[in-house]
Amino acid sequence: AQSVSQHNHHVILSEAASLELGCNYSYGGTVNLFWYVQYPGQHLQLLLKYFSGDPLVKGIKGFEAEFIKSKFSFNLRKPSVQWSDTAEYFCAVRGGGADGLTFGKGTHLIIQP
Amino acid sequence: DAGVIQSPRHEVTEMGQEVTLRCKPISGHNSLFWYRQTMMRGLELLIYFNNNVPIDDSGMPEDRFSAKMPNASFSTLKIQPSEPRDSAVYFCASSFGELNTEAFFGQGTRLTVV
Repeated sequence: AQSVSQHNHHVILSEAASLELGCNYSYGGTVNLFWYVQYPGQHLQLLLKYFSGDPLVKGIKGFEAEFIKSKFSFNLRKPSVQWSDTAEYFCAVRGGGADGLTFGKGTHLIIQP
Repeated sequence: DAGVIQSPRHEVTEMGQEVTLRCKPISGHNSLFWYRQTMMRGLELLIYFNNNVPIDDSGMPEDRFSAKMPNASFSTLKIQPSEPRDSAVYFCASSFGELNTEAFFGQGTRLTVV
């Protein structure tokens, strides 16, 4: 079975600080990896995804993530955060076969102006 | 397309009552997921359908929960009888294909059982 671990449950940063949110997954085969964002009171929206090819993927709003296969990691980064980035961030993995889309527990990011 | 549509948006019910949550996936999508979100446990996958067939229901908490997908454009999640610990936000999501596509989420149903 696949699983996802997000290291930080709560992160507080000041505006313009750099961000890195950790994500590790567990699955033996080919996986597809996702980061979703949930703004307060809203549904989940896709930030970026990795299927194959270049392990450094760029998403919306200046976010990027790097897939490191040897470390089973898919960390999310942003060089300079804004107050509007305050949200919950979820890493997700989808393996092959009968596996659905499995989410980590999420990281609550608060950006202080 | 209007996206994934869930109804109702909010539901308040008394313990012991039956609750039915509804989901209309994006047209053409063949995978549908039901998730439950709580502060304590985060986002849990309850059940996953592919081509209207339940593929994995191992996340369904107990027999009080049941889900159906009678056709490609409609799914229900039923709780009978409901309990206060079922209070959560329930999300439905859909995707096309299997591996390399993202899921699109509905706005969710906030369920409160009193």
